[in-house]
Amino acid sequence: DTGVSQDPRHKITKRGQNVTFRCDPISEHNRLYWYRQTLGQGPEFLTYFQNEAQLEKSRLLSDRFSAERPKGSFSTLEIQRTEQGDSAMYLCASSPAGVPDEQFFGPGTRLTVL
Amino acid sequence: AQKITQTQPGMFVQEKEAVTLDCTYDTSDQSYGLFWYKQPSSGEMIFLIYQGSYDEQNATEGRYSLNFQKARKSANLVISASQLGDSAMYFCAIKGYSTLTFGKGTMLLVSP
Repeated sequence: DTGVSQDPRHKITKRGQNVTFRCDPISEHNRLYWYRQTLGQGPEFLTYFQNEAQLEKSRLLSDRFSAERPKGSFSTLEIQRTEQGDSAMYLCASSPAGVPDEQFFGPGTRLTVL
Repeated sequence: AQKITQTQPGMFVQEKEAVTLDCTYDTSDQSYGLFWYKQPSSGEMIFLIYQGSYDEQNATEGRYSLNFQKARKSANLVISASQLGDSAMYFCAIKGYSTLTFGKGTMLLVSP
């Protein structure tokens, strides 16, 4: 399978715990995006990497959230001191450089904070 | 700033009929692109079709076409010959110089 993969697919954690999600993009794509999707809403942009550089972060990305993309390959999204409001689907997407910047999405990681 | 408005929370269509899903947008960018994605119950976002703001012809991809009316700032998705497998959430999105902004989506249900 050469699509975008995410791990884990589901995560249940207790409030206050730290969680980390992984995204493996399509291998030749140099752009990688993280989104958050809550029930009944469209995905909301969190952050964007071009290769290993984090070029843009949403104001939704509080200081409890951090994302990395070492060596411009896979990416991790960490949430520290989780809160119940962090419960959502976290989606990763990748795209090749250029227009129209068609983004290919992974299956998502569903986070439940108890 | 960018904004997408999808005013139809849900739509019903019978199999083999055509259906139009509405999308209006707002942006201050001179150049932008409009996208439609499908999200089945499995959760994965599937790219359907793209329209550039300077494209003169409406985009088509198989049974999907995008009715782009720039002056009205609308980018409606038309699905012809609906199939049961088309039942899903559909999201309209816009990307200018910045990030991809999605609407709240329309749930499409196709009945036999």
